[in-house]
Amino acid sequence: AQSVTQLDSQVPVFEEAPVELRCNYSSSVSVYLFWYVQYPNQGLQLLLKYLSGSTLVKGINGFEAEFNKSQTSFHLRKPSVHISDTAEYFCAVSPTGNTGKLIFGQGTTLQVKP
Amino acid sequence: DAGVIQSPRHEVTEMGQEVTLRCKLISGHNSLFWYRQTMMRGLELLIYFNNNVPIDDSGMPEDRFSAKMPNASFSTLKIQPSEPRDSAVYFCASSLVGGTDEQFFGPGTRLTVL
Repeated sequence: AQSVTQLDSQVPVFEEAPVELRCNYSSSVSVYLFWYVQYPNQGLQLLLKYLSGSTLVKGINGFEAEFNKSQTSFHLRKPSVHISDTAEYFCAVSPTGNTGKLIFGQGTTLQVKP
Repeated sequence: DAGVIQSPRHEVTEMGQEVTLRCKLISGHNSLFWYRQTMMRGLELLIYFNNNVPIDDSGMPEDRFSAKMPNASFSTLKIQPSEPRDSAVYFCASSLVGGTDEQFFGPGTRLTVL
C-alpha cells in the first residue's frame, strides 16, 4: 500500500519570498510522483510529475520539485511567489504499472500575503 | 476541447433521495476516475475505469454508491439512498492512459444532503 504525508497543512508566506511545500511518501513498490494545484472552487490541475530520469522536475508557473529516493520525499519549491499562487497544493503518488490510481496527501494551503 | 464536464455543479437533496452525478470525459481519453473531497477525509478515490471497465472500486464507501460508464465518453455516479454524511464535493477526472498521464479534473459537484 502507498501513503502520502504533507507535513504542513498551511504555509503563509509574503509575496516574492521563496516557498517550499513538503511531501513524504511511503510505498513498497516503485511509484510515480505528482503535484497538483487546486484554486478556490475549481478542480485540480497538474503542476508537475516525476516518472524517471533527472530528479529535479520543472513544472508550470515557475514551480519545481526534487525527488529524493533515500528520503522518500518530493518537495515542491518556488523561488518567488505571487499572490496568484494562493491555492491548495496536493502531492500524489501512483504505483508504477499504468494502473492510473492516484493516492493524494491531505493538501497544503499556500497563503501568499502582500 | 471543453475539458471534463460535470453536472450538476450544485445539488441539494434530502436524506433518502436518489442522487445522480454526471461526467463527460475529454474526447479520446480512456480512463475515468471518481473522487470525493471532504474537509475531514481529504481527496479520496472512489472508483476508476479503463476503457469503460471498472478496474478498482475499493474506495466506494458502501453499496449505496454505484458508478457506470454506459459509453466511452460518459459516466454516472449514483447514491441511493443518500445520507447527510455523503455531503462532499465529487470530482471526476479523465486521462489518456492510466498511470503516467495527467488526470484532467472537472469542476466538481457540490452535494449537500439535508
